[in-house]
Amino acid sequence: DSGVTQTPKHLITATGQRVTLRCSPRSGDLSVYWYQQSLDQGLQFLIQYYNGEERAKGNILERFSAQQFPDLHSELNLSSLELGDSALYFCASSVGANPDTQYFGPGTRLTVL
Amino acid sequence: GENVEQHPSTLSVQEGDSAVIKCTYSDSASNYFPWYKQELGKGPQLIIDIRSNVGEKKDQRIAVTLNKTAKHFSLHITETQPEDSAVYFCAAIERSNYKLTFGKGTLLTVNP
Repeated sequence: DSGVTQTPKHLITATGQRVTLRCSPRSGDLSVYWYQQSLDQGLQFLIQYYNGEERAKGNILERFSAQQFPDLHSELNLSSLELGDSALYFCASSVGANPDTQYFGPGTRLTVL
Repeated sequence: GENVEQHPSTLSVQEGDSAVIKCTYSDSASNYFPWYKQELGKGPQLIIDIRSNVGEKKDQRIAVTLNKTAKHFSLHITETQPEDSAVYFCAAIERSNYKLTFGKGTLLTVNP
């Protein structure tokens, strides 16, 4: 158990809908990272927040957004969902702002029908 | 940006044998190289990492070597066990935009 928690574990929704994925980092970690894992693209970095502020951005679509709250938990919002958004979404956390020594959560499996 | 290539994509070994997975990276400024193990239905688990000021690091049956000149690093697992069966990912930090770039993964199967 990495200490990173994610909810929900599974999410099934329809095209055009909006969903929110939630992540709680390990105790003491200030950075939260979001990743998308699909069979064809592998593990792709989406975005990082450090102590409430956006720190780094990867291949995140404009339909996706994230935020980190004062208690350091983070939410990833996915809107206008398309079939191709079906994937595993992982959250990771680390102590500092640098993206090393990241610990991953168990993931949320999103299925868009 | 950083490009991380990982080989082989699949690896099958007999229990007790050694397994080696190799990765190359493109950004000469990269200085942190972790390895993750992902079991079916679970998130990636950090198993070992190495920084650029070190050439080799060992943790029990697992070791990682780094050749900065050639820009490649390898994961070595000795005395493999069936529970080592999983997908293994290498990664490198892209210093220009502070992101971790992953290889495509290696499916390791240890046959009893």
